[in-house]
Amino acid sequence: DSGVTQTPKHLITATGQRVTLRCSPRSGDLSVYWYQQSLDQGLQFLIQYYNGEERAKGNILERFSAQQFPDLHSELNLSSLELGDSALYFCASSGGQPYSPLHFGNGTRLTVT
Amino acid sequence: TQLLEQSPQFLSIQEGENLTVYCNSSSVFSSLQWYRQEPGEGPVLLVTVVTGGEVKKLKRLTFQFGDARKDSSLHITAAQPGDTGLYLCAGAGQGAQKLVFGQGTRLTINP
Repeated sequence: DSGVTQTPKHLITATGQRVTLRCSPRSGDLSVYWYQQSLDQGLQFLIQYYNGEERAKGNILERFSAQQFPDLHSELNLSSLELGDSALYFCASSGGQPYSPLHFGNGTRLTVT
Repeated sequence: TQLLEQSPQFLSIQEGENLTVYCNSSSVFSSLQWYRQEPGEGPVLLVTVVTGGEVKKLKRLTFQFGDARKDSSLHITAAQPGDTGLYLCAGAGQGAQKLVFGQGTRLTINP
């Protein structure tokens, strides 16, 4: 058990809809990362937060947004969903120090129909 | 953009055989990590290598970081069915927190 909790585990929704994925980091970790994993593109970095502030941005679409709250949990919002957004979305947390390993949750599987 | 290429993408071998998977880039990384991911779960860290030329061993797994810190390899000796999984390398650039992941090597060890 990594200590990172992601909800929901599965999400099925229709095109054009909006969903929110939630992540609770490992106790004591200040950094939260979001990754998208699809069959043909591996793990793609979306965004990182550190102690409530955005730290780094990757290939995150404008339709996607995220935030980290004062209690350090994070939410990833996906809107105007398209079929191609179907993927596994992983949250990971770390202590934020150099070379810190990432501790991953078990992901949210999003299916857009 | 830093890219990591892993090879092979798929590997299926018999129990007891040895194997090596590679992780290559044209970019220099300050550190490189290897993760293993099993179906329905998130990736789990196996090792972090930091120094060029560094070699780390984890039981039957040997990890090496290239001298120029642009590439890495994972060697498994006497593979077992329990080694089956998706192996991912991930690199961090100079001063960067975010990790860039390779596409992964899907390894299947047949009994």
